[in-house]
Amino acid sequence: DAKTTQPPSMDCAEGRAANLPCNHSTISGNEYVYWYRQIHSQGPQYIIHGLKNNETNEMASLIITEDRKSSTLILPHATLRDTAVYYCIVRVATWYIFGTGTRLKVLA
Amino acid sequence: DGGITQSPKYLFRKEGQNVTLSCEQNLNHDAMYWYRQDPGQGLRLIYYSQIVNDFQKGDIAEGYSVSREKKESFPLTVTSAQKNPTAFYLCASSIGASGGLADTQYFGPGTRLTVL
Repeated sequence: DAKTTQPPSMDCAEGRAANLPCNHSTISGNEYVYWYRQIHSQGPQYIIHGLKNNETNEMASLIITEDRKSSTLILPHATLRDTAVYYCIVRVATWYIFGTGTRLKVLA
Repeated sequence: DGGITQSPKYLFRKEGQNVTLSCEQNLNHDAMYWYRQDPGQGLRLIYYSQIVNDFQKGDIAEGYSVSREKKESFPLTVTSAQKNPTAFYLCASSIGASGGLADTQYFGPGTRLTVL
């Protein structure tokens, strides 16, 4: 079973920030949180990952709570091309365990 | 271009036939993975390989086989024993053990297999 819980869907207005939450209450101290997104019928695209500090790259920011039981992916200025399924993953052992993700729809 | 290639993008086979899906990477990664995705679902691990000539079963290995004779190649065979093979198949690779706990996987474009 996936170690993460995400809302099944969210909408966001184009140009606004998209904040995607993820709960991972059973995460262990050395397990990283990864975010990927998947546009229909394509392979998942890596976005960002983190352990306990907030992280930022050219695509997004990742905010991890101090107790590490939840995190939020922030797309600062969502565009129509950001419409996709977003997966929050806790890496267990050698591979990932995927849940069903959040379907983000960016509205014009 | 560096990356992971999967071919073909779409594949049709008759029931009872074995079929092999190709996965090649030129990222010099040690580890490679095969996942299966059904409609509306997340990805499930079929097999993974941490190094050449070694591979391990994932959660849903029954009816599938793999080989890892070369670092850059990790073909997946869907056998006739797989009861419901129609799905989207994704290959991934990562640095491997030397990447430590933050070893990031990168995915190919996928192959959509339909068994008629």
